[in-house]
Amino acid sequence: DVVMTQSPLSLPVTLGQPASISCKSSQSLVHSDGNTYLNWFQQRPGQSPRRLIYKVSNRDSGVPDRFSGSGSGTDFTLEISRVEAEDVGVYYCMQGTHWPPAPGTFGQGTKLEI
Amino acid sequence: QVQLVESGGGVVQPGRSLRLSCAASGFNFNIEAMHWVRQAPDKGLEWVAVISFDGINKYYADSLEGRFTISRDNSRNTLYLQMNSLSAEDSAVYYCARESLDGYKGGWVDWGQGTLVTVSS
Repeated sequence: DVVMTQSPLSLPVTLGQPASISCKSSQSLVHSDGNTYLNWFQQRPGQSPRRLIYKVSNRDSGVPDRFSGSGSGTDFTLEISRVEAEDVGVYYCMQGTHWPPAPGTFGQGTKLEI
Repeated sequence: QVQLVESGGGVVQPGRSLRLSCAASGFNFNIEAMHWVRQAPDKGLEWVAVISFDGINKYYADSLEGRFTISRDNSRNTLYLQMNSLSAEDSAVYYCARESLDGYKGGWVDWGQGTLVTVSS
């Protein structure tokens, strides 16, 4: 089974400063169709998760452009160019390439705090 | 506007059963696969189950060991999760979620607010 590993698990940041979260997969996430299905979710305190990024680097509608995703193969990164107060929460990477979803489909989560 | 509203959570004793519901609106429910995802208190996300648009194909997390059943009623735009032989490890917020245009591969684009299940004597 594929296992997603995030780091750091806790990320203290300063408002206006950049932040970066790493996500590594135990197997390549390149699908047989040529796409790489690595997604990022944000979960603000007390809220449901929300997808931010899909297929490594595509921002969902309404997601501020300070969020960006990058990477390939087994190594991926979510970056926030300038952290704002509303960005506080937990960020999860999730792989969609390998079926069925195993317990390691989601990363452990990275808690972003000011 | 897509809305997913879960209900049916609560406190239940170990070994008992519970059925969760998810009322969907704002999209064409009967052509979309639907999922349940859960989150134990202060823990991460865990995929639970998926059901195809027509209710024919169903898949479950291995960890459930056959205790849960996902179903749907397209005439009522409602998704269900029947949970049997509950244990403390099943305590979690249960979310129903609508998958992306890429299916499961793209994750879930719409989530309900979740319903809390607490298994305790």
